[in-house]
Amino acid sequence: GQSLEQPSEVTAVEGAIVQINCTYQTSGFYGLSWYQQHDGGAPTFLSYNGLDGLEETGRFSSFLSRSDSYGYLLLQELQMKDSASYFCAVSLNGAGNNRKLIWGLGTSLAVNP
Amino acid sequence: VTQTPKFQVLKTGQSMTLQCAQDMNHEYMSWYRQDPGLGLRLIYFSYDVKMKEKGDIPEGYSVSREKKERFSLILESASTNQTSMYLCASSLGTSGSLGGANVLTFGAGSRLTVL
Repeated sequence: GQSLEQPSEVTAVEGAIVQINCTYQTSGFYGLSWYQQHDGGAPTFLSYNGLDGLEETGRFSSFLSRSDSYGYLLLQELQMKDSASYFCAVSLNGAGNNRKLIWGLGTSLAVNP
Repeated sequence: VTQTPKFQVLKTGQSMTLQCAQDMNHEYMSWYRQDPGLGLRLIYFSYDVKMKEKGDIPEGYSVSREKKERFSLILESASTNQTSMYLCASSLGTSGSLGGANVLTFGAGSRLTVL
């Protein structure tokens, strides 16, 4: 079957750095995405890795190693507003728009003062 | 992405249509349900008008995409296990280096309670 594993909860303090890991077992792989969801809000896109390596977007970075079926989201200079759930999602191979997404169960990040 | 209604209470056996509209000229539209501890589960998706494909949990649901900008989720006969938060998401498609199908824009959600 298809599965993505990520920690259920992570706690950190303001100003710190936190890494949220995601390992996947899927039949076919096209890319790894990360989404953020605040309580009561909709998921919003953060980052995407289609190739191995690091992608940086401001305080957030995402890494992918396809050979290890592993990726992570790195959040630096944590702020209280970063308290949210973070989801990794794998895009499976498919023709054109027929590419399905498989989602992890989400990691709840609590940033404390 | 606009979802209506935001909240709805139904009785078992009633029918309901959840509406989703986008004005970004997105080709790809999809419906998810989100339940505590179960994450996001794909119900149906569509990559063209009148085209639809089953996701992971299509049972008890149907969809309609008569126009590019609208994608409706239909519950013909609601059951209590369909109580959930429903999220609609859309994306451009496959254009661009990001592989557009990956960059989903979500609506604010429709919370459905079936009694």
